[in-house]
Amino acid sequence: QSALTQPASVSGSPGQSITISCTGTSSDVGAYNYVSWYQHHPGNAPKLMIYEVSNRPSGVSNRFSGSKSGDTASLTISGLQAEDEADYYCSSYTTSSTHVVFGGGTKLTVL
Amino acid sequence: QVQLQESGPGLVKPSGTLSLTCAVSGGSIVSFNWWSWVRQPPGKGLEWIGEIYHSGSTNYNPSLKSRVTMSADKSKNQFSLSLRSVTAADTAVYYCARGSETSTWIFDYWGQGTLITVSS
Repeated sequence: QSALTQPASVSGSPGQSITISCTGTSSDVGAYNYVSWYQHHPGNAPKLMIYEVSNRPSGVSNRFSGSKSGDTASLTISGLQAEDEADYYCSSYTTSSTHVVFGGGTKLTVL
Repeated sequence: QVQLQESGPGLVKPSGTLSLTCAVSGGSIVSFNWWSWVRQPPGKGLEWIGEIYHSGSTNYNPSLKSRVTMSADKSKNQFSLSLRSVTAADTAVYYCARGSETSTWIFDYWGQGTLITVSS
């Protein structure tokens, strides 16, 4: 069981928007603005999409956005494209000695 | 563009030692970055194993600390993971990753991962 809880799957049609949630606790997601999101196409290296809740690294499309409320962070992808179909993982710094925790991953299907 | 590439045996026998190396190209491990190992058992989420700085300083996940050793080889620009006394529960895809300069828990570059199976 992963430390952070994500839905196993979400889906959407091209052009639509979807949101993936990531629920933690007051020791991780709720404690700091240190939530990251990663995109993973199986067989490839995971890619950092969002860091510190809502910041995008250079080169990441502005269709990707992040937010947080309390112990739950969210990743929103607008204008869905076929290439967005992938697994998405959230992570957070944690006050525990584990240092960083991850979610179980969400499989995004573009219909 | 920084690239990371894991290499390892693929198959390890129970009670044996898993040894992996991560070769870094396009950048130096002698930087302000920490270098991590993360794994993903089949059908499960990601788990942080630990991190190393080029000086040799390390931090490990408490759940694995008693079995893990990490090292860095500046001359070869690579770092390594050793996991002792492995069981089937250690079967996973193992990734190496770079922590960002400002926050070691933000992984800005990853390797493609390598599947390690623990089986006799």
